[in-house]
Amino acid sequence: DAGVIQSPRHEVTEMGQEVTLRCKPISGHNSLFWYRQTMMRGLELLIYFNNNVPIDDSGMPEDRFSAKMPNASFSTLKIQPSEPRDSAVYFCASSSGVNEQFFGPGTRLTVL
Amino acid sequence: AQSVAQPEDQVNVAEGNPLTVKCTYSVSGNPYLFWYVQYPNRGLQFLLKYITGDNLVKGSYGFEAEFNKSQTSFHLKKPSALVSDSALYFCAVRGPSDYKLSFGAGTTVTVRA
Repeated sequence: DAGVIQSPRHEVTEMGQEVTLRCKPISGHNSLFWYRQTMMRGLELLIYFNNNVPIDDSGMPEDRFSAKMPNASFSTLKIQPSEPRDSAVYFCASSSGVNEQFFGPGTRLTVL
Repeated sequence: AQSVAQPEDQVNVAEGNPLTVKCTYSVSGNPYLFWYVQYPNRGLQFLLKYITGDNLVKGSYGFEAEFNKSQTSFHLKKPSALVSDSALYFCAVRGPSDYKLSFGAGTTVTVRA
């Protein structure tokens, strides 16, 4: 298995632009998580999907952030409009039931 | 509420010496405990977990961890550290019916040759 796949690996954009991050979970995993990692805040859980349904989005910072999971093999995290404070590394992780989570390589987002 | 404390921001050891990374936790019910390692510009890699059974858990790359219920600790250990073990290590916990993992702040391990 290729593991969790994320794209793009790096994204540089200007303030106000829309950013879309993509994730393909491990096949057969029914749970998907989006995290954000910064030096100041460490790892933060943004949203959790179970069987493609959003269960907990309490970590989404504000309305500018949205996430979807249209099917079991694809999820997106969108920021619109982006702001410099959104600069961070965004990770997608998947798991099967309550087992350990497997993380993707991350997307490093820089908003100028 | 569940939480993890990693009391050391940094751990420095010489290659060949034992390595210990400390972790204490707080959770309702029986804990599910995990260790992850993160190399520069990479995602978190799963090392090992404790759910039930033997208090000494063995994982990847020669790492092991000991669950101590009375001290609510889950310290990560390696008998003989390698320079390639230099990385950021995260401890994480969740309750038996939780999906949300609580991560510690991380401990940077530097192994000098």
